[in-house]
Order: sequence, then C-alpha cells, then structure tokens
Amino acid sequence: SQQGEEDPQALSIQEGENATMNCSYKTSINNLQWYRQNSGRGLVHLILIRSNEREKHSGRLRVTLDTSKKSSSLLITASRAADTASYFCATDRRFDQTGANNLFFGTGTRLTVIP
Amino acid sequence: GAGVSQSPRYKVAKRGQDVALRCDPISGHVSLFWYQQALGQGPEFLTYFQNEAQLDKSGLPSDRFFAERPEGSVSTLKIQRTQQEDSAVYLCASSHQQGRITEAFFGQGTRLTVV
Repeated sequence: SQQGEEDPQALSIQEGENATMNCSYKTSINNLQWYRQNSGRGLVHLILIRSNEREKHSGRLRVTLDTSKKSSSLLITASRAADTASYFCATDRRFDQTGANNLFFGTGTRLTVIP
Repeated sequence: GAGVSQSPRYKVAKRGQDVALRCDPISGHVSLFWYQQALGQGPEFLTYFQNEAQLDKSGLPSDRFFAERPEGSVSTLKIQRTQQEDSAVYLCASSHQQGRITEAFFGQGTRLTVV
C-alpha cells in the first residue's frame, strides 16, 4: 500500500494564484520529496526536505514538514498554466538489512492552472 | 541518452500472454526501482535493486511478476499470464545513491493494456 496521501485530490486555480497541496505519511522518515508528473510522462524531482528541517524554498516552491504530525505541504506561488500537472510526495523507508532505502509515493494532487 | 529509458512505450497484450518490459537506467546508477501506476493513482512500489541484488520485492502483486537485473544495469520486469488487472503504466526509476535516496530519475514508463 502507498505510504502517503495527498489532499486535495484535485485543485483548480486561476493563473497567478497560489496552490497548496498537503501530504500525510505513516512511518518515520529520513527525508520527504516532492515530484511532479505531467500527463503521460515520468515523474520529475522537485525538492527534498530532510526530517530535521521545517521549511525549504526553491524558486516558487515552498515546502514545510511537520514530523510530529507526519505531514508536509507544498506551496507553489504565482502559479502558471505550465504548472498544470500531478504532484506527489515521496517518503523513504529504511530497508533494515542493508541500510538501503526505498521510495514510496502518495496518491497525488491533480493541479489545474487556468490561464 | 542521458536519462532512464524504458521500452516499449506501449504494449497491448492478450489476456494470458507473457510480457517483458525493459528499463535502461542512467549509467552508473546503483539503485533501480519498478513502480506500477494505475490511472489516476500514485506509483505503487513493486521492487528495488541495488546493483544486481534484488533487495526488496515485497510490492510484487503476485508470483506472476518477476524482475531481474543480472549485470547490475539493465532491468527487465516480466509478467506471466497477464490479467486485465495488470493494465497500468509501469515506471522505472534509478538513483546513484544506495543509502538514503535523495533523488530518483524516472523513465517515461511503459503503458500496458491487457485485452
């Protein structure tokens, strides 16, 4: 089963507005990542936040992490039509025998930015 | 090419047919993941390789699914006796990291349709 869940499942906004997506997860993590997926394409890494960080910025992206609530949010400011895509959070989970990690994805938020 | 390459991009199989999906990871990447993504859902973890070793196959849905990476580079996901519920996009991802995965690079996926 998937590790995380995003909400809302779908979000539709006007160009120029801000978009906020939330992610909740179940187990302890080392880091949390956000990925973007355009329709019919693979996923592209956007940003990573470590478990000891609370907030991180990258361009128009702002990510927060609350490990006590096992939740994260992705804020896209001044949205553009080109931001239309699905956004997924991904958390790692330690594979105890070797120390390697797997990546587990949430259910995704479908963002539509209307020009 | 510089990215993760998957082939074929599209595959139509008759129910009961065996299929083989190929993934060429980025050269030198140690970690390789396979995911299954149903329409409108997030990627579901299938299996993980570190070099040629399959460290985690807990996500494979049945014994009809088999993955290999014999030389630690190219990987093949094989599905035997395909069923309609196997219809999905199969994504491959690779990472140069073998411990904490801080970024995974995805191929564009293989869309499998079982008729």
